[in-house]
Amino acid sequence: DTEVTQTPKHLVMGMTNKKSLKCEQHMGHRAMYWYKQKAKKPPELMFVYSYEKLSINESVPSRFSPECPNSSLLNLHLHALQPEDSALYLCASSQDRVGYEQYFGPGTRLTVT
Amino acid sequence: TQLLEQSPQFLSIQEGENLTVYCNSSSVFSSLQWYRQEPGEGPVLLVTVVTGGEVKKLKRLTFQFGDARKDSSLHITAAQTGDTGLYLCAGDEFNAGGTSYGKLTFGQGTILTVHP
Repeated sequence: DTEVTQTPKHLVMGMTNKKSLKCEQHMGHRAMYWYKQKAKKPPELMFVYSYEKLSINESVPSRFSPECPNSSLLNLHLHALQPEDSALYLCASSQDRVGYEQYFGPGTRLTVT
Repeated sequence: TQLLEQSPQFLSIQEGENLTVYCNSSSVFSSLQWYRQEPGEGPVLLVTVVTGGEVKKLKRLTFQFGDARKDSSLHITAAQTGDTGLYLCAGDEFNAGGTSYGKLTFGQGTILTVHP
């Protein structure tokens, strides 16, 4: 089973709202990632967690706040977003070697109004 | 980190034609992955290549890793409409010290459209 699940599938939020994206995997993977993707472009890395610790933050604005409650779960907390933050947000995981052979979830389509 | 140059950026072909997508860099990669992504979905891992000169086949898809582990290609034989999508190469890059940066470097993607 190589499944990564993400909820919600779609999210519309205003610029003053607070919302969270959720990602879950049960493959025993120890590295998890958040990416942002604009249409027809490659994913852009936002955060990497390795063994539940934040190992990479790609200079992401503080209105995005990641959290890794346990080895299976990854959250992305959103607050005071801008319309340009509208994108597909992807979660991925890999077995233990960070960066290698990542499995992606279906994504959350976020629209900021 | 260095860029992965992927070409062509767009490819529009008829069903039954063959095609090749290229992924090139000046950097050495410890591994390279190819993904296919359909609109509104996440990328799906097609293959991982790790050994210089390695060739892997997945039905009508043939993947090759360059001898120096700096480049890769994806060849599709007799394309079908179901092959339509965004193809992404992504590499796990070594730094000068010989360790991984711990993240994937993506190519810019190839948008493939196969017409019936």
